[in-house]
Amino acid sequence: GQQLNQSPQSMFIQEGEDVSMNCTSSSIFNTWLWYKQDPGEGPVLLIALYKAGELTSNGRLTAQFGITRKDSFLNISASIPSDVGIYFCAGQDTGGFKTIFGAGTRLFVKA
Amino acid sequence: DTEVTQTPKHLVMGMTNKKSLKCEQHMGHRAMYWYKQKAKKPPELMFVYSYEKLSINESVPSRFSPECPNSSLLNLHLHALQPEDSALYLCATQEGANTGELFFGEGSRLTVL
Repeated sequence: GQQLNQSPQSMFIQEGEDVSMNCTSSSIFNTWLWYKQDPGEGPVLLIALYKAGELTSNGRLTAQFGITRKDSFLNISASIPSDVGIYFCAGQDTGGFKTIFGAGTRLFVKA
Repeated sequence: DTEVTQTPKHLVMGMTNKKSLKCEQHMGHRAMYWYKQKAKKPPELMFVYSYEKLSINESVPSRFSPECPNSSLLNLHLHALQPEDSALYLCATQEGANTGELFFGEGSRLTVL
């Protein structure tokens, strides 16, 4: 079945540093989504990408839909302590209903 | 504030109990999902309802029984669960096919004793 490889698994950074994480797949996706999840809560959508090559920003977050449609990255600039959490990439197939999640990147930010 | 409401937030049940998880949305979305999430793992798709009809069942054991009574409600009926079924159960909605964005509720934390 379809799988997403998300890296890195975890990151320990200093407040103010920039962060980058990415997802790759052997399959083509029509949509890439990036979520953040805090402990005991549901995932919250950060950025949605619909077009190959698309670069989208949301505040300090920037994400890109790879031109091959098999990868995506998320950058966080000038990290702050509340950025701590698990970040998931998710790819959606052509049918639109099956959204597959990467394993997640755990982000730790030291003040 | 989430527009997808899940109840209860926490549920503890024995292996012989029958219980239900509930999900409600008022965004007019026509696709609703159940995901299961174990600790430190990504959400795993269980069921998808589209226009109140079951469209995807990811080979989920029959001890989990979904129900979509109307376009705003999605239930997950639980019966004869096993301790390994303990997890966070997440409901999500999507406007319709091919619209991408999934919106999640806060989840129901299930513990099976």
